[in-house]
Amino acid sequence: QVQLKESGPGLVKPSETLSLTCTVSGFSLTSYHVSWVRQPPGKGLEWMGVIWGDGSTAYNSALKSRLSISRDTSKSQVFLKMSSLKTEDTATYYCARADTWGYWGQGVMVTVSS
Amino acid sequence: DIVMTQGALPNPVPSGESVSITCRSSKSLLYSDGKTYLNWYLQRPGQSPQLLIYWMSTRASGVSDRFSGSGSGTDFTLKISGVEAEDVGVYYCQQGLEFPYTFGAGTKLELK
Repeated sequence: QVQLKESGPGLVKPSETLSLTCTVSGFSLTSYHVSWVRQPPGKGLEWMGVIWGDGSTAYNSALKSRLSISRDTSKSQVFLKMSSLKTEDTATYYCARADTWGYWGQGVMVTVSS
Repeated sequence: DIVMTQGALPNPVPSGESVSITCRSSKSLLYSDGKTYLNWYLQRPGQSPQLLIYWMSTRASGVSDRFSGSGSGTDFTLKISGVEAEDVGVYYCQQGLEFPYTFGAGTKLELK
């Protein structure tokens, strides 16, 4: 059974770095790629980036300078790190298996506020 | 970036009525492998997006056959035949052809 679950802090201060974890089960990270997508409150969806089965990555150019995606295959975990947070980064962050996009996590709400 | 533009619905929609949601891309999503990289999702209130249709017209596993996708390289339609209460939410189209993958702004479906 394929599952993804995001975890991380609910509140982060402006200018700090956000660290999120996506823990997957039911598939191997070396065989499937995982994307991060975020959604500000009441707004639409924004693709952030992807980590491929071979470990390579691609990022949304709008976020590239602040974003890093990595993984630990032994723990079946994908990590997102985003630096220099702004209040506009307040959003629900989702990870999704991006082969056919049929599997998404429940999302984790992150508020950027002092 | 590829821009995805979605149309609106004449909300609220009477239960049992059939509706079509439109989506247009700023670039053809038809790839050289013959597939059109256009997905449709439903996001119910408080939930994660749920994949309905991929490759423009292929229904995802477990999705009701009341949902169907069609289109060309740049113009797409999601049809819902006989709207039910569980169909309420926001529908998004998404292109999976090139980075950055982009979504439409969403089309809200409300039931009368």
